[in-house]
Amino acid sequence: AQSVSQHNHHVILSEAASLELGCNYSYGGTVNLFWYVQYPGQHLQLLLKYFSGDPLVKGIKGFEAEFIKSKFSFNLRKPSVQWSDTAEYFCAVNLIKAAGNKLTFGGGTRVLVKP
Amino acid sequence: EAQVTQNPRYLITVTGKKLTVTCSQNMNHEYMSWYRQDPGLGLRQIYYSMNVEVTDKGDVPEGYKVSRKEKRNFPLILESPSPNQTSLYFCASSLSRSSNQPQHFGDGTRLSIL
Repeated sequence: AQSVSQHNHHVILSEAASLELGCNYSYGGTVNLFWYVQYPGQHLQLLLKYFSGDPLVKGIKGFEAEFIKSKFSFNLRKPSVQWSDTAEYFCAVNLIKAAGNKLTFGGGTRVLVKP
Repeated sequence: EAQVTQNPRYLITVTGKKLTVTCSQNMNHEYMSWYRQDPGLGLRQIYYSMNVEVTDKGDVPEGYKVSRKEKRNFPLILESPSPNQTSLYFCASSLSRSSNQPQHFGDGTRLSIL
């Protein structure tokens, strides 16, 4: 069965620091990749997605992610974080040929940005 | 405004007392899904529906039922809730079953089963 691993459960950093969150998946087939963000007390919102083409994708709020097929990775980055980026971040994978639009999520990374 | 609406947002109840969490979307989406979110485990799919009267099990369906009688509604039913079903539940919808359709999530329902 496919699985998604997020390496860090908690990350604490100061404003203006750079952020990189790791994500690896186990499936060898063709996948769609997503990063979702969940601000405190809110629902999940889509940050960015990768389907095909340029492996470096840009999302909202200055986030970007790079798909490295050989490493089965889809790491999320932001060059300079703000206090408002405090949230939980989820990587998710979707098999191209799966039955239905089923997302498999990683365990999430809680990010705390200190002012 | 396009949205997925869940009710209730919070519920504390006791073991064995049947409950239903409603989910409604106003985007005419075909695909709907229920997830539960537990610390360290991310979101896990409970059930999904590809269209009216078409439902199927996700990864953790035990103890849950769903129905899809209308396109906009996808209620989650716990016939006999148990404490291990205490969790945060999210309903989601997408335009179609296609895997490149982003899912839109509701605000969540926090269930506590005593």
